[in-house]
Amino acid sequence: DIQMTQSPSSLSASVGDRVTITCQASQDISNYLNWYQQKPGKAPKLLIYDASNLETGVPSRFSGSGSGTDFIFTISSLQPEDIATYYCQHCDNLPPAFGQGTRLEIK
Amino acid sequence: QVQLVESGGGVVQPGRSLRLSCAASGFTFSNYPMHWVRQAPGKGLEWVAVISYDGNTKYYADSVKGRFTISRDNSKNTLYLQLNSLRVEDTAVYYCARTKGRSWSGNPTDYWGQGTLVTVSS
Repeated sequence: DIQMTQSPSSLSASVGDRVTITCQASQDISNYLNWYQQKPGKAPKLLIYDASNLETGVPSRFSGSGSGTDFIFTISSLQPEDIATYYCQHCDNLPPAFGQGTRLEIK
Repeated sequence: QVQLVESGGGVVQPGRSLRLSCAASGFTFSNYPMHWVRQAPGKGLEWVAVISYDGNTKYYADSVKGRFTISRDNSKNTLYLQLNSLRVEDTAVYYCARTKGRSWSGNPTDYWGQGTLVTVSS
């Protein structure tokens, strides 16, 4: 099975900051990498798919990059409503494993 | 609009069974593979199972294989998860989620339900 390693596990940043989260796959997954946002008490929401494609309706301050085993998720200018936990997930094959999550807080 | 509504969660003793349902609306349910994903209290997301759009192909996480069964009734636009031989470690919020596309291979899940809580406790 492919393992996903996400870092950091938690992050504190100020409004307006650029925020970066990394995700590493244990083997080549091409660009089959997704990013989800989960706010407390809510279901996950798809933000980025195929490593860099923005889901419809998602603000352009969110972006993703990478291929193979190394991926980056970026919020270009952090907003208060971005407080959430962010997960990467591969969908190259089954099981489609998630990273352990990054809890993002506002400083 | 796409809507997924889970039901059937509750408190159950170890070793007992439960059936979860996920009612779908706002899209052609029979065109999409569907997943179950769970989240233990305060923990991360864990994929549980997937079923093809026609119900003929199913895959499970090793942690639930042989105990859980995923199924669907396309005439009722409903997805199911039968949970047997429940363990304390199965305690979680269970989400159903739609695949973005005809195949689960290479595709993310684009719509999720609000989840239903299963608590396994004596």
